[in-house]
Amino acid sequence: DSGVTQTPKHLITATGQRVTLRCSPRSGDLSVYWYQQSLDQGLQFLIQYYNGEERAKGNILERFSAQQFPDLHSELNLSSLELGDSALYFCASSVVSSVEQFFGPGTRLTVL
Amino acid sequence: ELKVEQNPLFLSMQEGKNYTIYCNYSTTSDRLYWYRQDPGKSLESLFVLLSNGAVKQEGRLMASLDTKARLSTLHITAAVHDLSATYFCAAPRRTQGGSEKLVFGKGTKLTVNP
Repeated sequence: DSGVTQTPKHLITATGQRVTLRCSPRSGDLSVYWYQQSLDQGLQFLIQYYNGEERAKGNILERFSAQQFPDLHSELNLSSLELGDSALYFCASSVVSSVEQFFGPGTRLTVL
Repeated sequence: ELKVEQNPLFLSMQEGKNYTIYCNYSTTSDRLYWYRQDPGKSLESLFVLLSNGAVKQEGRLMASLDTKARLSTLHITAAVHDLSATYFCAAPRRTQGGSEKLVFGKGTKLTVNP
């Protein structure tokens, strides 16, 4: 158990819908990262927040957005969902940037 | 752009045998991470290699890093069934603003047969 929690574990929804994935980092970690794992794209970095501020963006679609709240938990919002958005979404956290990241259990999103 | 390549992508081996997984990365990096993933599960941190020549061992797994060759290896000694999983290497890439993200290889799916 890494200490990073994610909810929900599974999410099944329809195309065109909007969902929110939630992540609570390890106690004391200020940095939160979101990754997407799919069969065709592998593990890809989406976005990073540090102490409430966006720090880095990767291959994140415009339909996706994220934020980190004052209590340091983070939410990833996915809208206008498409079949291709079906994937495992991982959150990771670290004390600061540039150190080891610890991964949460993931949220499996299925878009039907 | 940093690219990370692993080989082989699939590895089927017998219990008791030894094998090595290779991880090449395309641009300079002073650190390299290895993770293990069981089907449908999260990524479990195995090794953090922090410098050139670093070698770390945990049980039947040993990882090493050669930053000059941009190569890391994960060596499996006397494989057992419990080692069956997918293994990922990842290298950090600096982003604007001084942060960094992990760039992952495609993973090596290891199956250890009795």
